Amino acid sequence: EAGVAQSPRYKIIEKRQSVAFWCNPISGHATLYWYQQILGQGPKLLIQFQNNGVVDDSQLPKDRFSAERLKGVDSTLKIQPAKLEDSAVYLCASSSGQGWQPQHFGDGTRLSIL
Amino acid sequence: DQQVKQNSPSLSVQEGRISILNCDYTNSMFDYFLWYKKYPAEGPTFLISISSIKDKNEDGRFTVFLNKSAKHLSLHIVPSQPGDSAVYFCAASHTGRRALTFGSGTRLQVQP
Repeated sequence: EAGVAQSPRYKIIEKRQSVAFWCNPISGHATLYWYQQILGQGPKLLIQFQNNGVVDDSQLPKDRFSAERLKGVDSTLKIQPAKLEDSAVYLCASSSGQGWQPQHFGDGTRLSIL
Repeated sequence: DQQVKQNSPSLSVQEGRISILNCDYTNSMFDYFLWYKKYPAEGPTFLISISSIKDKNEDGRFTVFLNKSAKHLSLHIVPSQPGDSAVYFCAASHTGRRALTFGSGTRLQVQP
């Protein structure tokens, strides 16, 4: 089975620019997550979707971050405008959403802000 | 407030010996615990999990132990192999919030 796909793998932008990341979860997985991983730390949840509805976005900086999952499959995460502290790896994960099932992660997008 | 803590940033063991990675948590609502392995430039890979109704789960060379009263879990790797060298993350979730809360990771180096 194909894993979680993310693109791009790397992105370098200047502060105050905008950027978007794309994620395609494992086929059939209803639950999709975006995590931010800053160097030296564990991943931290930004937003969780169940199908195309938002379940948890309490830790999403909504003044600059937005995310959508319009058809309940692919998802995009956008940052506008970017700040220096947004430099991190952005990880997408998916799970079946049923019971005690692990989340499976993509390889992430490494974002560098100049 | 760090709800999941991995207090050892790094661990070095000899090939063939046991590796023990530790994790502590503070949120008593957590009922599902996972270990992920991460190689550089790759996403975390699921390794093994345990629910709060168990105190041990085994999968080949990997065993996870859960001590609910101490709010502590550990991952044992026996025997350790050089390919096990990676960063290991402990993570936890609960029924009301399936998103994972991660520790900061432990870098394991297995010396040949």
